[in-house]
Amino acid sequence: DQQVKQNSPSLSVQEGRISILNCDYTNSMFDYFLWYKKYPAEGPTFLISISSIKDKNEDGRFTVFLNKSAKHLSLHIVPSQPGDSAVYFCAASAGAQKLVFGQGTRLTINP
Amino acid sequence: DAGITQSPRHKVTETGTPVTLRCHQTENHRYMYWYRQDPGHGLRLIHYSYGVKDTDKGEVSDGYSVSRSKTEDFLLTLESATSSQTSVYFCAISDRDSWDTQYFGPGTRLTVL
Repeated sequence: DQQVKQNSPSLSVQEGRISILNCDYTNSMFDYFLWYKKYPAEGPTFLISISSIKDKNEDGRFTVFLNKSAKHLSLHIVPSQPGDSAVYFCAASAGAQKLVFGQGTRLTINP
Repeated sequence: DAGITQSPRHKVTETGTPVTLRCHQTENHRYMYWYRQDPGHGLRLIHYSYGVKDTDKGEVSDGYSVSRSKTEDFLLTLESATSSQTSVYFCAISDRDSWDTQYFGPGTRLTVL
């Protein structure tokens, strides 16, 4: 049973526009959420995180929004750049030193 | 970047053979993890360690064992490899004070024929 879901396998966005990646979860015990970025043949790299006590966290061009009532989080990238082309994973934790990952969304930024 | 290396980076083996993957860290982090990445499944936790000789199972632990005899090394063993274990394996580490934020190694691509 997939507790963290990224329903869009891929997303294509024009350079300079906003990229919005979505993630849904089912476990109401999740209290910390993260986004990772992965380039081919490399390990995932941590991008940004948010605690369940917040509804927004910003870091430069990246903003994560959390809607607890809808069990939904999203990652906004503004403006999108060619180097943002990668696979993005959302992840969630409920303590116990474990992360649960979504399936990933492949983002392509077109010039 | 966190100091994490994985060896080997690529391996091809035959069904039924034992395989050991190594993860080495230079960050002195307490927690270490093994994941596998497969299309349509994202990253799934195999086993993790919260200290030397302290390990626990993850979501997909069947067919895998682990050992951690030193803080810096975490070994993943496939006792008898099967084709279903063909995957990309990632090691990750995290610190006690911020264990949620995990840092990943470069991965090992394993093919079981």
